[in-house]
Amino acid sequence: EDQVTQSPEALRLQEGESSSLNCSYTVSGLRGLFWYRQDPGKGPEFLFTLYSAGEEKEKERLKATLTKKESFLHITAPKPEDSATYLCAVQARNQGGKLIFGQGTELSVKP
Amino acid sequence: KAGVTQTPRYLIKTRGQQVTLSCSPISGHRSVSWYQQTPGQGLQFLFEYFSETQRNKGNFPGRFSGRQFSNSRSEMNVSTLELGDSALYLCASSPGRAETQYFGPGTRLLVL
Repeated sequence: EDQVTQSPEALRLQEGESSSLNCSYTVSGLRGLFWYRQDPGKGPEFLFTLYSAGEEKEKERLKATLTKKESFLHITAPKPEDSATYLCAVQARNQGGKLIFGQGTELSVKP
Repeated sequence: KAGVTQTPRYLIKTRGQQVTLSCSPISGHRSVSWYQQTPGQGLQFLFEYFSETQRNKGNFPGRFSGRQFSNSRSEMNVSTLELGDSALYLCASSPGRAETQYFGPGTRLLVL
C-alpha cells in the first residue's frame, strides 16, 4: 500500500535555527513527490516537485532533496513567517493525478 | 493568472441534507481533483476529473459524487450528510493529468 510518513509531527525553532523535516514514502512506482505549505484556514500552497533520486530544488530559505525512500525539506535560518504546516505528498505512476499526503509537520518559528 | 476559486467558502448544514460545492480551476487547466481534509485523517483524495470524465476515485462512500463541465469547472455533491462529513473540502487543478496540482482556498463544511 502506498504510504507517506512525515516527522516530526511538530517542530519549534528559534529564528535563525536551521533544521530539516523528513518525509518517508512507500509507493509502487514514484512519478513525483510534492511539498506544500499550508497556513491555518487556507489551502495548501505549492513549493516543490521532485521526480528522481538525487534531485534538489531551492526557494529562498527552503531546499528540498529526494532519495529512493525519503525526502527532506531543509529550512535555513528560518523566520517567524515560515511558521506553517508543511505537507509532503507522492503521486504514483499508475494512479493518474491522485496525491497521497502525509500528516504534515507543524513548524513554529519564534523570534 | 487567477488561482483556483471555490464557492461557497463556508457552509453549515444539518444531518440528512445534501450539499453542492463548486470549483473553478486556473485558466487553461483541464484536470481537477478533490480532497477532504480533517484533523484526524489529514488530506484524503476524493476524485479526479479530466475532460469531463472521472478518472480516479478515492475510498469514499457513494454519497460523494462529482462532475466536470466542458469549461473544466467542477462540482462535488455530498448527499445524506453525516456529522463525520464536517471537513475542509479542497479542490486542486493542474494543466493535465499527473502534473503539479494547485489548490484553492477550500470550502469549510460544518454538519450539525
